[in-house]
Amino acid sequence: EAQVTQNPRYLITVTGKKLTVTCSQNMNHEYMSWYRQDPGLGLRQIYYSMNVEVTDKGDVPEGYKVSRKEKRNFPLILESPSPNQTSLYFCASSFSVDYNEQFFGPGTRLTVL
Amino acid sequence: GENVEQHPSTLSVQEGDSAVIKCTYSDSASNYFPWYKQELGKRPQLIIDIRSNVGEKKDQRIAVTLNKTAKHFSLHITETQPEDSAVYFCAASRLSNFGNEKLTFGTGTRLTIIP
Repeated sequence: EAQVTQNPRYLITVTGKKLTVTCSQNMNHEYMSWYRQDPGLGLRQIYYSMNVEVTDKGDVPEGYKVSRKEKRNFPLILESPSPNQTSLYFCASSFSVDYNEQFFGPGTRLTVL
Repeated sequence: GENVEQHPSTLSVQEGDSAVIKCTYSDSASNYFPWYKQELGKRPQLIIDIRSNVGEKKDQRIAVTLNKTAKHFSLHITETQPEDSAVYFCAASRLSNFGNEKLTFGTGTRLTIIP
């Protein structure tokens, strides 16, 4: 089944404790992206990647890191989480060039205390 | 960078009536405009998209119109049904030879269909 998976789905952590949210897609997509969703602010892009080893900042990259060592995986790293990073996070992927529908993962609800 | 504004933030319509959601964008280089639907507790899913070389696109009860000069685009849902109740997001992006560049979303419209 073609899909985007994220883990964990729910996470409660404390300020400063490094964490990684994994994202994996099995559709051979070149483009992958991370978004955070907050009430009243919609979906805001954190980082995106057009291909392996090619990443770029979205609109709200501060406090986050990403890597794209393999085509299928695009982990989101919070080196020192803070309460303002409490949010619902979505990973998404799409083909490039002519087919641009973004397929979203199920979401990760993160709470930073 | 791109800025996408979306209105209204909430919309209630009687079942069977039409609903219209409007978005404006700031970057004249944007050339790809998708609309996503997010049902409660679910992930966003693409419902329709339009590219800048097209003025209108329809898919059954859903249509999107684009006015490049005014830099605005709209989603039209006709004959609304209860299952249309959801949050709708517009977005704007520049397509390059490598695909989507940065995708900027609007803040969303919560559509409620009243039976």
